[in-house]
Amino acid sequence: ELKVEQNPLFLSMQEGKNYTIYCNYSTTSDRLYWYRQDPGKSLESLFVLLSNGAVKQEGRLMASLDTKARLSTLHITAAVHDLSATYFCAGWEASNYQLIWGAGTKLIIKP
Amino acid sequence: DADVTQTPRNRITKTGKRIMLECSQTKGHDRMYWYRQDPGLGLRLIYYSFDVKDINKGEISDGYSVSRQAQAKFSLSLESAIPNQTALYFCATSDSPGQGAYEQYFGPGTRLTVT
Repeated sequence: ELKVEQNPLFLSMQEGKNYTIYCNYSTTSDRLYWYRQDPGKSLESLFVLLSNGAVKQEGRLMASLDTKARLSTLHITAAVHDLSATYFCAGWEASNYQLIWGAGTKLIIKP
Repeated sequence: DADVTQTPRNRITKTGKRIMLECSQTKGHDRMYWYRQDPGLGLRLIYYSFDVKDINKGEISDGYSVSRQAQAKFSLSLESAIPNQTALYFCATSDSPGQGAYEQYFGPGTRLTVT
């Protein structure tokens, strides 16, 4: 059974700084998803990582996947206030075609 | 127009009442899901449907039932609402494995309060 763990669960940082959110998972998952959720809003897909070594970038966000280490990272470069949100990672449970979700990382970026 | 819609967006109901949450999608996806979100607990799967005749229980199905009326419609019912069902409920859809990246696309959510 796949389990997904994110850390940290809460992160407060200053604008302009760099930081990384980590997503560890317990068993084989050959794809990994990152979503963003603004307060009281829906979830928006950010990245889909489909293979070992996959790296995707969008603006100040970059996601990567290491299936051997069972680890995905979401790196924030030179953070800006607009990136404040909760970020979720989800692994794919192939046995029943479900996404298994991490608890989310609440990111607050202070001016 | 939004690809995945949910009605109602907000609902306050009393303990013991029956309530239905509705979800419609125009993405043409076969697969639909109902999730519940509680603060600090991420998303938990209630039910999922891979097509109109294939409905499956998720992690927390007790106290809930669903109906897949058509490819585009998937409803969630609380037969007798209780206060610990107060949460934010999301409907989602996805394509099928092999058709794409199997991303899930979410509706705007329904905030349900049971008093």
